[in-house]
Formats: sequence, C-alpha cells, structure tokens
Amino acid sequence: SQELEQSPQSLIVQEGKNLTINCTSSKTLYGLYWYKQKYGEGLIFLMMLQKGGEEKSHEKITAKLDEKKQQSSLHITASQPSHAGIYLCGADTMNSGGYQKVTFGIGTKLQVIP
Amino acid sequence: DGGITQSPKYLFRKEGQNVTLSCEQNLNHDAMYWYRQDPGQGLRLIYYSQIVNDFQKGDIAEGYSVSREKKESFPLTVTSAQKNPTAFYLCASSMFGGSNQPQHFGDGTRLSIL
Repeated sequence: SQELEQSPQSLIVQEGKNLTINCTSSKTLYGLYWYKQKYGEGLIFLMMLQKGGEEKSHEKITAKLDEKKQQSSLHITASQPSHAGIYLCGADTMNSGGYQKVTFGIGTKLQVIP
Repeated sequence: DGGITQSPKYLFRKEGQNVTLSCEQNLNHDAMYWYRQDPGQGLRLIYYSQIVNDFQKGDIAEGYSVSREKKESFPLTVTSAQKNPTAFYLCASSMFGGSNQPQHFGDGTRLSIL
C-alpha cells in the first residue's frame, strides 16, 4: 500500500519568514492533493497536482510535484498568522475496482509567531 | 453557498448505544466518503459511496454502518460493536468517484464516550 511521509511533523516560524513542507511517497504519485486543517475543523482543499514538474500557486502558497512524481513540496512565502494550521497531503491510490482511494499523510502542524 | 454540512458538531455515546452522524451536501456530487481521524494518525476511510443506493467498505468499516438513499445524504451509524469510537469523524464528497477528483470536507463531528 502507498504511504505518505510528511516532514517536518511540526514547524514554528516567525511571521514574515518563508517555509517549506514536504510530502514523500513510497510509490509514484498520480494525483497529489494539499489540504489545510484548523484544529477541530474540516479540511480545506488547497491544490491538486498531477503531472511531474507541475507547480501551482494560490496567493502566497506554492506547491510542486517533482519530476519523478514521488515527492511534493508546499512553500509558503512571507508567512502570516492566518497560515497557521495543519497541512496534509493526500495521494490517489488506485485499487482493483478502479476506485479512487486517497491516502493521507499525518500532517504538518504549522505555528506562526507574530 | 454550496457545501457539506455535518451534524452534530459534538456527540456523546453511552455504553451499548448506537449513534448516527449526519452528512448532507448540496454540491450535486455523486461520491461521498466517511473518514475517521485520530491523533497521530492520518485519515482512515470507513465507508464510501460512488452513487445512490450503493456503498462500499473502506479500511476500517467494522462497527459502522451507512446508507445512501438520497444523493445529498450519507449518514454514518456508529454501532455498539465499535469498541473504540472516540474520534473526529469527517465526511467528504467529490464530483465523481475516481482519480483526480479533489474531495471536499465538512467541518466534522467529534464523538466521545460518556
């Protein structure tokens, strides 16, 4: 089965600093999702990456899928307190029935200190 | 606004009691999912449904049951057979079942034992 490892598990940064979160897969990634979750709330969809080398941005958040499609990174530029939360990556896993099962990483907890 | 509504936000279960968690979506999505989230673990899939009147077991279906009588509704029952039900439960939906379909999540229900 596919496993996703996120690093670091937690991160504390000062407001205004840049940061990067990584998501490494044990298998080739065919569809990779990034989500943000605030404690006790649901997941908010950020971005989906499909192609090797693909890069997407939304406001100050940029996500990339490497050429070999086994790692994705999420980069936040000039972090703000509103960026605080848990960032999770999820990957499509195909089963024999053709169903899209998404395997999720445990998440990276981000704190931004004013 | 379109979205996924989970209720209640907090739920308490007594010994031997079945409880039902509600999930309603007005996104006109075909596929719906139930996940369980525990501290230090990624989301684990309980049940999923790709179409009305059809649903499949996920990775941890024991002690749970679902129904999908309407497209917009996918309630989850936590039965007394589930011996460790304390967790955060998340419902999600996607336009179709299959790959490259981002899932959109509700705000979750936190279930505790009395």
